[in-house]
Amino acid sequence: SSELTQDPAVSVALGQTVRITCQGDSLRSYYASWYQQKPGQAPVLVIYGKNNRPSGIPDRFSGSSSGNTGSLTITGAQAEDEADYYCNSRDSSGNHLVFGGGTKLTVL
Amino acid sequence: QVQLQESGPGLVKPSQTLSLTCTVSGVSISSDYNYWSWVRQPAGKGLEWLGRMYTTGSTNYNPSLKSRVTISVDTSKNQFSLRLSSVTAADTAVYYCARFIGGMRFAFDVWGQGTIVTVSS
Repeated sequence: SSELTQDPAVSVALGQTVRITCQGDSLRSYYASWYQQKPGQAPVLVIYGKNNRPSGIPDRFSGSSSGNTGSLTITGAQAEDEADYYCNSRDSSGNHLVFGGGTKLTVL
Repeated sequence: QVQLQESGPGLVKPSQTLSLTCTVSGVSISSDYNYWSWVRQPAGKGLEWLGRMYTTGSTNYNPSLKSRVTISVDTSKNQFSLRLSSVTAADTAVYYCARFIGGMRFAFDVWGQGTIVTVSS
């Protein structure tokens, strides 16, 4: 099992807001980065650091952190946001990297 | 812009060594804050970090695979490589090379398209 825990699946109605969470002890000290992966494609970085978006990522994507939980929020979800989302950070030792198990987002 | 491209055999026999190369373009592989990394994904499953190498040659591997994984860099060719020894069917996956940026970004910001490796006799 991963040291970063994500809900396996989340759904959201078109245009509504959804929060995808990632829990782990290391997140008390380090931020998570977030990746979107669509079928047959490589992951794409959508959020890094406290709440930073790479160029080209829509501003409906945002990140936050509280205690041992990092969150990715999509405000006004679009059909094209349907994908798997993964968090990444250090492991509990702080010496290695680890991914969460992934969350499958369905946009209804 | 920075681009990564994996290459290598798509089929490896059990107990043998899997070898993949990632060709980097658009940036020098010796640039500061760049960690050259490998990530894999079995079909229908999640992402697994395998390890990373800094340009100084220092490496950092997934503890669960540490004894089998080696990452190396060839600065003359602007390439880095993965070797995974004693493979089994459980090592069948899509293998991605990726750039991990340290410092304030601390994220995988560029990924290769991935290459499928099947372990089978």
